[in-house]
Amino acid sequence: DIVMTQSPDSLAVSLGERATIDCKSSQTVLYSSNNRNYLAWYQLKPGQPPKLLIYWASTRESGVPDRFSGSGSGTDFTLTISSLQAEDVAVYYCHQYYTTPYSFGQGTKLEIK
Amino acid sequence: QVQLQQWGAGLLKPSETLSLTCAVYGGSFSDYYWSWIRQPPGKGLEWVGEINHNGRTNYNPSLKSRVTTSVDASKNQFSLHLSSVTAADTAVYYCARKVWSGELDYWGQGTLVTVSS
Repeated sequence: DIVMTQSPDSLAVSLGERATIDCKSSQTVLYSSNNRNYLAWYQLKPGQPPKLLIYWASTRESGVPDRFSGSGSGTDFTLTISSLQAEDVAVYYCHQYYTTPYSFGQGTKLEIK
Repeated sequence: QVQLQQWGAGLLKPSETLSLTCAVYGGSFSDYYWSWIRQPPGKGLEWVGEINHNGRTNYNPSLKSRVTTSVDASKNQFSLHLSSVTAADTAVYYCARKVWSGELDYWGQGTLVTVSS
């Protein structure tokens, strides 16, 4: 099974500043035949279902603000929020869908400093 | 606009069977896999399993002996059944749509299922 490990577990960033969340997979999620990383990022707010932000490691879902970006390949990935807004307070999860059982990171709680 | 609406019993006793149903409104039902994910209180997300319109399934091995999913394509609905529940199965359960590439793009609102004697 692929284990997803996020860092840090929690993060406090000032409004307007950059927030960076890392995600490491225990084995590659890069599918060599199409050069795609099977890695997504979700935002989870209390009382709401998860919201898809990024898929294929770096493709922004339709409607997601461009301050959210994803990068990385193979086993190391990063979610970056370029300028933190108050509405970005949430828990963020990475998710590998390279192989079953699909798995998620443990989550990173993002707060305002 | 795609919407997933889920329902089911929210309070169970140990050893009972958890049953949840998710109805899909809008979009195609046959072009996707339909998934279940859960989040225990204070913990992260856990993939439970998935089913397509033909009934083809994939399950998390950690739950495989207790989990079954079913689909009613005529109603655009799919269901989760988890047998012999314990307190460890207490969680918010979500249904979600998995697109062809694998990410989960639409989610149900979530159902809190509590297992308590």
